[in-house]
Order: sequence, then structure tokens, then C-alpha cells
Amino acid sequence: GAVVSQHPSWVICKSGTSVKIECRSLDFQATTMFWYRQFPKQSLMLMATSNEGSKATYEQGVEKDKFLINHASLTLSTLTVTSAHPEDSSFYICSAKAFRGGSTDTQYFGPGTRLTVL
Amino acid sequence: GENVEQHPSTLSVQEGDSAVIKCTYSDSASNYFPWYKQELGKGPQLIIDIRSNVGEKKDQRIAVTLNKTAKHFSLHITETQPEDSAVYFCAASPATGRRALTFGSGTRLQVQP
Repeated sequence: GAVVSQHPSWVICKSGTSVKIECRSLDFQATTMFWYRQFPKQSLMLMATSNEGSKATYEQGVEKDKFLINHASLTLSTLTVTSAHPEDSSFYICSAKAFRGGSTDTQYFGPGTRLTVL
Repeated sequence: GENVEQHPSTLSVQEGDSAVIKCTYSDSASNYFPWYKQELGKGPQLIIDIRSNVGEKKDQRIAVTLNKTAKHFSLHITETQPEDSAVYFCAASPATGRRALTFGSGTRLQVQP
């Protein structure tokens, strides 16, 4: 299947700093990428949908000024957690989907990034 | 929007037994239903999916069934092995377009050796 990578796999930062997470589709072009957050023993919660070349669409309750998303190319989307606080500590997972119009496309997930804010 | 319910939340079986996980969805526009396996500290891995023009799909020890009229779909794992132990998530979405998947709450499967 298609491969999606994330970097870094884990990060520890101090409260108030910003953290950038990269999501790359390695062997296909992803016109749409999604960012999810997962707290321990919970399901994946969609944060935002990232479309190449346009602004991201955020889910209700997700602060767009705090979670900056950039999808500058067909293989790269970034999530920046600005002014991180301990409550932002979570497992962040991206996924990528290739949209070919009229056909079904599978959504592949990255390995996730564990963020710990001290 | 779509709402996906998943049961049971935990499931413990003996090695070699079968395991069944069930999901229901609410949006009749959904026609793509994947299942993911997530191991601790890792991202979800697609194990099987089914589209609404198919009632059943099988891949070795894993099968998925879909009842579109009743809006429910199930994952069946036969001859379970300890390495099947993980959290399994069902999901639903329209097959086309840029909509994200809506996930169920997950089932923690424990296969006892």
C-alpha cells in the first residue's frame, strides 16, 4: 500500500514554544491530507482537512490560530502547534488521500507523532 | 454529519477462536467502510475495506460484511493469533470527494495464547 511518513516521531517541548510536524506522502500525490489527534485509549478525532494550495478546513472547536496547517505541495503538509501547553500533549496522526475524481481512494495513515509539552 | 458506533469496546478471545466486531453508521451517503488495526504507539494500518456495491469481502483470515439497508458492517477474524491483539477501528465516509473518515470508538482485542 501507499506510504505516509511523519516527522518527528516524538517531540518534547517546553510550554509556550511552537512545534512543527511534517506529513509526507512518499509514493503518491495527495491532494487532500487530514490531521487527527488521539488521546490515550480514545478514538481518532479529526482536527482539520488540508487541501493542496488552499486554506485548511478546521473542525468545530479546533483553533485555527493555534494549529497552523500548511499544504504547500502535493506530497507535504505541516501542522504547527503554536504556543503549546500541557493540554496539547497528544498523539497527532496525519493521513493522505489521492483524489482522482469519481473513484474511491483509500486513506493512508502516517505512524503518528507523540507530542509532550512540559 | 456521520456518526459511527462500534461494539464491543473490549473483546477477549482464546487463540484459534473467532472474533467479531460490529459497527453501525448513520449517514446513508456513506459508501466506503474501511477497518484499521492500531498497535500501541503506532498509526492505524488499513487491514480491509468494503464499498457499498459489495456485501462481503474476504482476505485470508479477515472478512467484512456490509448490510446497507440496516446501516451496519462487521469485521470477522477467524483463527485468531496473539499477534492479532490490537485496537481495531471501523470507519465510514463517502467514497468520493475530500471528506474525511468518521471513526468508531475502537475495540481492544486481546487474544489469549
